[in-house]
Amino acid sequence: QQQVKQSPQSLIVQKGGISIINCAYENTAFDYFPWYQQFPGKGPALLIAIRPDVSEKKEGRFTISFNKSAKQFSLHIMDSQPGDSATYFCAATTGGYKLSFGAGTTVTVRA
Amino acid sequence: NAGVTQTPKFQVLKTGQSMTLQCAQDMNHEYMSWYRQDPGMGLRLIHYSVGAGITDQGEVPNGYNVSRSTTEDFPLRLLSAAPSQTSVYFCATRTGNTGELFFGEGSRLTVL
Repeated sequence: QQQVKQSPQSLIVQKGGISIINCAYENTAFDYFPWYQQFPGKGPALLIAIRPDVSEKKEGRFTISFNKSAKQFSLHIMDSQPGDSATYFCAATTGGYKLSFGAGTTVTVRA
Repeated sequence: NAGVTQTPKFQVLKTGQSMTLQCAQDMNHEYMSWYRQDPGMGLRLIHYSVGAGITDQGEVPNGYNVSRSTTEDFPLRLLSAAPSQTSVYFCATRTGNTGELFFGEGSRLTVL
């Protein structure tokens, strides 16, 4: 039973468009919510992360929105580029020792 | 500075065979972990270690053994491989308590 539910499984967006990936969790003890980006044949790499005391965090074209009361968080990729084509995983943890990952979303950006 | 190095990158086993996936890091991180990645399942934690001599189970530990005799190495052992263990395995380390994991490039294992 996955502790973090991620949707959609895949999405296709045109270059310059917005990609939105959603995640939901049940465990209110989670205190750190990272997003990882994975390219084919590579290991995941940290993209951006947020703690539950803030509602939004932005780094360049990537923004995390966090809704503590709804137990949901999402990743927005603005002005999507072909180089953003990858698989994205949301995750959550308490204390950092055991990270629970979502199932992943494959994003394809069409030029 | 190699970061996290996994070997082998590819391996094919027959059911019942044993093998060890190697993970070595040169970042002096205390925390090391093993994940398996399966389609539609994301990454699931198998075992982790917070330092030499200390290991603990993750979400899916059955069928796997680990030990941590040095800070640098964290091998994952399959004692009797099963087809259900066909997967891509990732080793990851972490610095301090920031939560950021540093992953190796993965080991693809097929069990026939």
